[in-house]
Amino acid sequence: KAGVTQTPRYLIKTRGQQVTLSCSPISGHRSVSWYQQTPGQGLQFLFEYFSETQRNKGNFPGRFSGRQFSNSRSEMNVSTLELGDSALYLCASSSPTLGGTEAFFGQGTRLTVV
Amino acid sequence: AQSVTQLGSHVSVSEGALVLLRCNYSSSVPPYLFWYVQYPNQGLQLLLKYTSAATLVKGINGFEAEFKKSETSFHLTKPSAHMSDAAEYFCAVTGNAGGTSYGKLTFGQGTILTVHP
Repeated sequence: KAGVTQTPRYLIKTRGQQVTLSCSPISGHRSVSWYQQTPGQGLQFLFEYFSETQRNKGNFPGRFSGRQFSNSRSEMNVSTLELGDSALYLCASSSPTLGGTEAFFGQGTRLTVV
Repeated sequence: AQSVTQLGSHVSVSEGALVLLRCNYSSSVPPYLFWYVQYPNQGLQLLLKYTSAATLVKGINGFEAEFKKSETSFHLTKPSAHMSDAAEYFCAVTGNAGGTSYGKLTFGQGTILTVHP
């Protein structure tokens, strides 16, 4: 069974540009979550999508947005990039059940803003 | 609201020694707790999880953790450290209120484990 796939693995963008990151979840998983990881702030929750609907949202500015498609694949977009957006962006998928579940993470996309 | 505190941002042990990584949580609902490991430039790999079944949870690579409600703790241990255990470890919590919070993990700040020969 294929794991969570994130593309691209590395990105370099210029301040003011926008960027789109992609995440393909494990087959059958309908929940996709996004996290930002930085040395200073650690791992922070961005948002979660379930069945194409945003179910939870973290405390990030509106420049950060996402969406989920009918095949559960998800994208996140960051507009008007700032230097502080440089981070490792991690995507996780899960399959909620009443018994509890774990999130499976992708390798991440390393975004560098210059 | 939920939160996680990992005591000690760096832990150093000798190969063969006991590994103990501390995690305390705060949750307004019965929590689900997880330990993840991250190797450089990699994503997170699940070591083990607590989901209100047995309080002593065994995970991969010889790790285990004990859920202690009275102490709101979920410390990670391994009897004998191996060089390959050197990595960063994260404790995380999520709520189980009707199953709507599984996708939102709150992480601790992480503990970097160094293993000396």
